[in-house]
Amino acid sequence: AQSVAQPEDQVNVAEGNPLTVKCTYSVSGNPYLFWYVQYPNRGLQFLLKYITGDNLVKGSYGFEAEFNKSQTSFHLKKPSALVSDSALYFCAVRIYGNKLVFGAGTILRVKS
Amino acid sequence: GAVVSQHPSWVICKSGTSVKIECRSLDFQATTMFWYRQFPKQSLMLMATSNEGSKATYEQGVEKDKFLINHASLTLSTLTVTSAHPEDSSFYICSARVFQETQYFGPGTRLLVL
Repeated sequence: AQSVAQPEDQVNVAEGNPLTVKCTYSVSGNPYLFWYVQYPNRGLQFLLKYITGDNLVKGSYGFEAEFNKSQTSFHLKKPSALVSDSALYFCAVRIYGNKLVFGAGTILRVKS
Repeated sequence: GAVVSQHPSWVICKSGTSVKIECRSLDFQATTMFWYRQFPKQSLMLMATSNEGSKATYEQGVEKDKFLINHASLTLSTLTVTSAHPEDSSFYICSARVFQETQYFGPGTRLLVL
């Protein structure tokens, strides 16, 4: 079955420090991978995607993600975290019919 | 660009009534829209895929007579929760497919059935 896993329920980081939110995937064929962020009581905001090409993908708000085929991972990263980055982050993979399958989500808490 | 709106953002209704939620793509045409349901502190669950001018495709376990979806135009899809019950209380989110790969999401509608 095609799926994504986010192994951490929550990630805590101090403001100014680098952050990583982990995602691993299991798909047949070439993966189309996405990261979205959700603020409380809001919909999801698109951050970035990997379709093909460079393994390092740059997205919105200074976020980037690294696609690693051998490790089947697509970790979200940011060099310097902001308190305003605190939110719920979802990794997703596209399956048949252009549907998205989401991971369980990871809460990011950035403390000042 | 790629803005998706939902209306209403909040709705409270009595058990047994029907509620309609609208999803609009504001600055683009969307041939495909998706409806999701999200429970507190959980991930999104895809309910159905809505294609303009045709019947929606429902995911396994989703009652199509309970959750009526209409995609009458390239910018509007509606979800009607019929005869709502307290267990239907949830956060409903729509998305629209802009390019082939990317879905853009609406802000969500919180439904509370009393």
